[in-house]
Amino acid sequence: QSALTQPASVSGSPGQSITISCTGTSSDVGGYKFVSWYQRHPGKAPKLMIYDVSKRPSGVSNRFSGSKSGNTASLTISGLQAEDEADYHCSSYTSISTLVFGGGTKLTVL
Amino acid sequence: QVQLQESGPGLVKPSQTLLLTCTVSGASISSGGHFWSWIRQHPGKGLEWIGYIHDSGYTYYNPSLESRVTILVDTSKNQFSLKVSSVTVADTAVYYCARRYCSAGSCYGHLDYWGQGTLVTVSS
Repeated sequence: QSALTQPASVSGSPGQSITISCTGTSSDVGGYKFVSWYQRHPGKAPKLMIYDVSKRPSGVSNRFSGSKSGNTASLTISGLQAEDEADYHCSSYTSISTLVFGGGTKLTVL
Repeated sequence: QVQLQESGPGLVKPSQTLLLTCTVSGASISSGGHFWSWIRQHPGKGLEWIGYIHDSGYTYYNPSLESRVTILVDTSKNQFSLKVSSVTVADTAVYYCARRYCSAGSCYGHLDYWGQGTLVTVSS
């Protein structure tokens, strides 16, 4: 299975919105609703931010939203805050009952 | 609150077998029908899914690692483990354990609880 494709880095100023893409195939992202997004601050455990493409776990800010079109999923963060600066990883369930991750995207808040 | 904690050697020599353990607290590993997972992150790289085990013992592995990895559950200790054989420097990574959420017989694609991670270095 090949890793999902994410941009290596994105940046934005406080208050702005940014979108991170996650591209796979019809055997993963395009074929299932099980796309998730994780936030990872240095030295910390990854934190689930979005699951099932667009659902937010309890306690996650509504500034975080997810969507999917075809084989590409997206994470949008609105009203950027300094604390959002972190690495973001997407993942998807696959046709062979495994999980696959993207390469990760480093978000810089300018 | 479910908590997971990885443990194991920080340093392993090439060609040896790496054994990591994940201790689960706040939930019984043998109930709930969840999958218990291992993921790693190479220095400066993205996350790589290694595999998971269902509380029934059924396992799934990353095809690229399947020949060298084994995941087992020890319900008496509420732990699950990862064995990686014939390690090389390419196995140097932070290793995480996590729970893949299942409910009422249906399993979803997300990992809702994670351990803090443990760094494993492969070096002679």
